[in-house]
Amino acid sequence: QSALTQPASVSGSPGQSITISCTGTSGDIGTYDYVSWYQQHPGKAPKLMIYDVTNRPSGVSHRFSGSKSGSTASLTISGLQAEDEADYYCNSYTISSTHVFGGGTRLTVL
Amino acid sequence: QVQLQESGPGLVKPSQTLSLTCTVSGASLSSTSYYWNWIRQPAGKQLEWIGRIYSSGSTDFNPSLRSRVTISVDMSKNHLSLRLKSVTAADTAVYYCARGVSGWYYFDFWGQGTLVFVSS
Repeated sequence: QSALTQPASVSGSPGQSITISCTGTSGDIGTYDYVSWYQQHPGKAPKLMIYDVTNRPSGVSHRFSGSKSGSTASLTISGLQAEDEADYYCNSYTISSTHVFGGGTRLTVL
Repeated sequence: QVQLQESGPGLVKPSQTLSLTCTVSGASLSSTSYYWNWIRQPAGKQLEWIGRIYSSGSTDFNPSLRSRVTISVDMSKNHLSLRLKSVTAADTAVYYCARGVSGWYYFDFWGQGTLVFVSS
């Protein structure tokens, strides 16, 4: 299975909004609404930020939101803060009953 | 609070078998509401899903690793195990265990990860 496609890096200034895309295929994102997003700070374990395309777990800021169109999912972070600087990974369930991650996106807060 | 803790040798020789354990507290491996996963991440690289196991013992694996991976659970100790045979330097990574939510397919709790080097 091929990894989902994410941009290697994105950046934004504090207070701005950014969007990270995650492109899959009809075998994963295009078929299922089981897309999740994870935030990973250096040396730390990933943290769930969004699940099932649009849902935020308890405790995650409302500044984080998710969406999907066709085989591409997106994570939007509004009102950027310095603490948002991290790596972000998307994940999808697949028609083969497996999971596949994206290549990861490094977010830099300028 | 659900907690997961990976443990095992930090150094494995090439061609040998990597064996790790994940001890779970605050949740039962026998619950049908969840499944249990192994995920790894080479230094500076992306996350890679290795495989999962349900309480029934049913498993699914990443096709690229399927021939070398075994995942099992010990209900009496509430821990899950990973065995990866015939390792090479490419298997050097931080290995995480994570809980998956059945029917919704996301990972809500992760261990802190354990670094495994493959080197002679």
